[in-house]
Amino acid sequence: EVQLVESGGGLVQPGGSLRLSCAASGFTFSSYAMSWVRQAPGKGLEWVSAISGSGGSTYYADSVKGRFTISRDNSKNTLYLQMNSLRAEDTAVYYCAKELAAAAVPDWYFDLWGRGTLVTVSS
Amino acid sequence: DIQMTQSPSSVSASVGDRVTITCRASQGISSWLAWYQQKPGKAPKLLIYAASSLQSGVPSRFSGSGSGTDFTLTISSLQPEDFATYYCQQANSFPFRPTFGQGTKLEIK
Repeated sequence: EVQLVESGGGLVQPGGSLRLSCAASGFTFSSYAMSWVRQAPGKGLEWVSAISGSGGSTYYADSVKGRFTISRDNSKNTLYLQMNSLRAEDTAVYYCAKELAAAAVPDWYFDLWGRGTLVTVSS
Repeated sequence: DIQMTQSPSSVSASVGDRVTITCRASQGISSWLAWYQQKPGKAPKLLIYAASSLQSGVPSRFSGSGSGTDFTLTISSLQPEDFATYYCQQANSFPFRPTFGQGTKLEIK
């Protein structure tokens, strides 16, 4: 079955760290760029970060640049998001998302999404 | 960054109605635009990409049009399962930062 399953969310204090994982199955993981997209409670969608299929290129939203690091392990079909210096405004459901086309660079169309994992930043 | 503005923010309609949602980009994005549907508590679902290409498995009552800065999503005959929130998203290759519209909530009249 083609699917993405996120894990690693939870409650963390401001300034703390968390690592999210996204396990992929049912497709050739290494052929696709992947992204993280978040949604604050009751709000819209915000793209966070992306990584090319090889892992050689990474992209970040200004709101997380320097605090978050995206990575992937193609041998384990897993995507990661290391989140440091967390702030209250990072509270959201974090989704991992697969690109529509198998290409060397992202096409920025997301055709497969996980169910999401909730990150709550609060003291 | 490229800003995406959707209108209306919410719309009420009945089953069988034709509904159009618009999306405007702050600068030209050619046809680099997608539309997503999201139901409460669920992940978004890709409906349309490249402004007018229907994603596999999506009913043909959904259609997209536009290029440059102005885009539309049309649902030709609303079905009960179509009541959801819809987002547009620009996929312009530069500056490598996709952005979403604020969403349009489609409610039952």
